[in-house]
Amino acid sequence: GDSVTQMEGPVTLSEEAFLTINCTYTATGYPSLFWYVQYPGEGLQLLLKATKADDKGSNKGFEATYRKETTSFHLEKGSVQVSDSAVYFCALSDLWGGSEKLVFGKGTKLTVNP
Amino acid sequence: DTGVSQDPRHKITKRGQNVTFRCDPISEHNRLYWYRQTLGQGPEFLTYFQNEAQLEKSRLLSDRFSAERPKGSFSTLEIQRTEQGDSAMYLCASSLAAGDWEQFFGPGTRLTVL
Repeated sequence: GDSVTQMEGPVTLSEEAFLTINCTYTATGYPSLFWYVQYPGEGLQLLLKATKADDKGSNKGFEATYRKETTSFHLEKGSVQVSDSAVYFCALSDLWGGSEKLVFGKGTKLTVNP
Repeated sequence: DTGVSQDPRHKITKRGQNVTFRCDPISEHNRLYWYRQTLGQGPEFLTYFQNEAQLEKSRLLSDRFSAERPKGSFSTLEIQRTEQGDSAMYLCASSLAAGDWEQFFGPGTRLTVL
């Protein structure tokens, strides 16, 4: 079945540091890819998405590019802030294969220190 | 738009008891999804509905679990004869079957089985 593997956490960075969270996927079809974020005490929120190869999703300074050749969708941010501290989940959905369910990675906890 | 709501937010029960959770989706959304998230893991898909029709069920949804969406609005998830392994966060999400299919998540119901 489809699966998502993301880098193990936790990740601890200083404010203004560069962030990369790796995500790779396995899918039988042509999935759409997502990054969700869960801030402390809050529900999951969509951070960004990409629906086809070479698409770049971006939001709040975060970016991720859909790389079909490496089956990857790594999350990056050039300068993190304390407010970015959260758990980040990579996910896929094989809409074109007829399944709307989201398949999530295990999550990566990010802590940003001032 | 009040977002997806779930009730209760927390439930503590004894092993062997039955529990029922409720999810109210965003009002115009016709798709509704249930996921389960255990500590340190990403959410896992359980089932989803389009209007009142249950379109897909995960193998995780054993015969002790049942979900309904009787009038295509709110949904209930019932767990019969709860086991300690059922302790988890139960998440509900909703979406429109159109546009970008984004799933909006509720805050979750945390179940603790003693």
